[in-house]
Amino acid sequence: KAGVTQTPRYLIKTRGQQVTLSCSPISGHRSVSWYQQTPGQGLQFLFEYFSETQRNKGNFPGRFSGRQFSNSRSEMNVSTLELGDSALYLCASSQQGANTGELFFGEGSRLTVL
Amino acid sequence: GENVEQHPSTLSVQEGDSAVIKCTYSDSASNYFPWYKQELGKRPQLIIDIRSNVGEKKDQRIAVTLNKTAKHFSLHITETQPEDSAVYFCAASGVQGAQKLVFGQGTRLTINP
Repeated sequence: KAGVTQTPRYLIKTRGQQVTLSCSPISGHRSVSWYQQTPGQGLQFLFEYFSETQRNKGNFPGRFSGRQFSNSRSEMNVSTLELGDSALYLCASSQQGANTGELFFGEGSRLTVL
Repeated sequence: GENVEQHPSTLSVQEGDSAVIKCTYSDSASNYFPWYKQELGKRPQLIIDIRSNVGEKKDQRIAVTLNKTAKHFSLHITETQPEDSAVYFCAASGVQGAQKLVFGQGTRLTINP
């Protein structure tokens, strides 16, 4: 079974631009969540989607948004990029709804904002 | 909201010795506590988890203990091996679902041969 796939793996943007990251979950997984990983802040929850609906949201500004499609694939978008948005963005999928346990992470999309 | 504190931030042990990493959480409603291992340049992977109705769980050389009263949980690795070298993250989640994890800051574990 293929794992969680994230694209692109690396990207460089400049301040003020926007970026869209994509995540394909493991086949059959309907929940997709996004995390930001930085050396200073660690792993921080961005949002979670289940059956095309945002079910949970972390404490990030409105510049961070996401969506999920009917095939469970998900995208996240960051608008008006800031230097502090440089991070590894990790997508994770899980099999069912709440309290099911293991998250399967993708390799991440490493964003550098110049 | 939930806050998870993890200690130590770095840990160095001799191969074959044991390693212990400790975490405390703030939200008494949290009920799911996983541990993830992240090797350099790799994705985080679940190594063990425990739910609030259990006090201890073991899987070969890895064990996790949970003290709900004190709101802390610990990871124990026995007979450490070089491949145990990695960053370990504890996490907690509650009524909002297991997908919304609050992570500790991570512990960089180095196993010295």
